[in-house]
Amino acid sequence: QQQVKQSPQSLIVQKGGISIINCAYENTAFDYFPWYQQFPGKGPALLIAIRPDVSEKKEGRFTISFNKSAKQFSLHIMDSQPGDSATYFCAAFFSGGYNKLIFGAGTRLAVHP
Amino acid sequence: SQTIHQWPATLVQPVGSPLSLECTVEGTSNPNLYWYRQAAGRGLQLLFYSVGIGQISSEVPQNLSASRPQDRQFILSSKKLLLSDSGFYLCAWGTDFNTEAFFGQGTRLTVV
Repeated sequence: QQQVKQSPQSLIVQKGGISIINCAYENTAFDYFPWYQQFPGKGPALLIAIRPDVSEKKEGRFTISFNKSAKQFSLHIMDSQPGDSATYFCAAFFSGGYNKLIFGAGTRLAVHP
Repeated sequence: SQTIHQWPATLVQPVGSPLSLECTVEGTSNPNLYWYRQAAGRGLQLLFYSVGIGQISSEVPQNLSASRPQDRQFILSSKKLLLSDSGFYLCAWGTDFNTEAFFGQGTRLTVV
């Protein structure tokens, strides 16, 4: 019930294209949904995040779409660039005194020139 | 500003040997602290998290343990390493008011 399911496992996109990564969760107690970006050999870094009372959040080329009733959220990367090539993790945060941050399995994105 | 230190960066240990990975945070007080493991090409598995000194919650039964002897220090240990303990170990911190987690640079552990 505390899982976060992420798809696809890997994604290849041409430069300028749109990258879309999807996540689904089960526990409705999750109250914060961040996306992290990880480059090889480095720790993940926060990319963008959304709370369940908002349906969409956009920061530059990155957009989170959130569907509370379906318990799904997705990351869209517009005008994908080779520098966006990295592993992306969706996550869900469970506060209320527990402060647990649960990650999806990750999506390895490759943007080809 | 807040910083997180994690060491060592790489570690090669024989099977059956003990393990101690240390993580310290600077510039904040009473952080939430996390240990994650990332197996090759896989996601981040939450191992332990702590909301205060001496308060450790374990997510996955395993060969590892964690301790928080000081407010900003989090230690991951094992008495006897297994081959399956190999992976990339990441420490992270967060606060109750800012749910973003900040990660250290990680320790790549290879058990041989």
